[in-house]
Amino acid sequence: AQSVTQPDIHITVSEGASLELRCNYSYGATPYLFWYVQSPGQGLQLLLKYFSGDTLVQGIKGFEAEFKRSQSSFNLRKPSVHWSDAAEYFCAVGARDTDKLIFGTGTRLQVFP
Amino acid sequence: GAGVSQSPSNKVTEKGKDVELRCDPISGHTALYWYRQRLGQGLEFLIYFQGNSAPDKSGLPSDRFSAERTGESVSTLTIQRTQQEDSAVYLCASSLPGLAGGEQFFGPGTRLTVL
Repeated sequence: AQSVTQPDIHITVSEGASLELRCNYSYGATPYLFWYVQSPGQGLQLLLKYFSGDTLVQGIKGFEAEFKRSQSSFNLRKPSVHWSDAAEYFCAVGARDTDKLIFGTGTRLQVFP
Repeated sequence: GAGVSQSPSNKVTEKGKDVELRCDPISGHTALYWYRQRLGQGLEFLIYFQGNSAPDKSGLPSDRFSAERTGESVSTLTIQRTQQEDSAVYLCASSLPGLAGGEQFFGPGTRLTVL
């Protein structure tokens, strides 16, 4: 069965610092992978997705993620965090034969000035 | 409308009462999903509608939960005889069919509190 693990419940960084949010998945084949962001009082917004091809994917708001098959990981990165990036980040995995997403428990990002 | 809308935004109810939550998907989106998000937890899949196909109800936690969708329009999620553990944010999402082609667009959610 598919599963997603986000090991970090809460991360705090200073504005301007680099960021990496971890995501590990369990799935028997190459999955579809997604990162969503949930800002306070907002709905979830798709940051980026991986389906196939280049393992480094670029998303909105300056985020990128790298699919590493050998590590079953899809970590989210940003070189320089802005205060407006403070939010909850969710990694999700989808199987290629269904339309369902399995979400991780999320990582809450706090940004200090 | 421009996005997925949900109503009500907040619902407080007493244990044992029935509640009905509504989702208006983006026009043209044939796929519609319901998720539950408990405090401090990830999104839990509840049910999935795709066009006129039989819905995937595999995520519904008990027979107190049911959902309907008329064609490719509005969906309602009904919780009967609510319990305190039903307190959560209920999120709806819609998309074009298939994960490869269709990003899921989420509504703002309905926050349900069962007293």
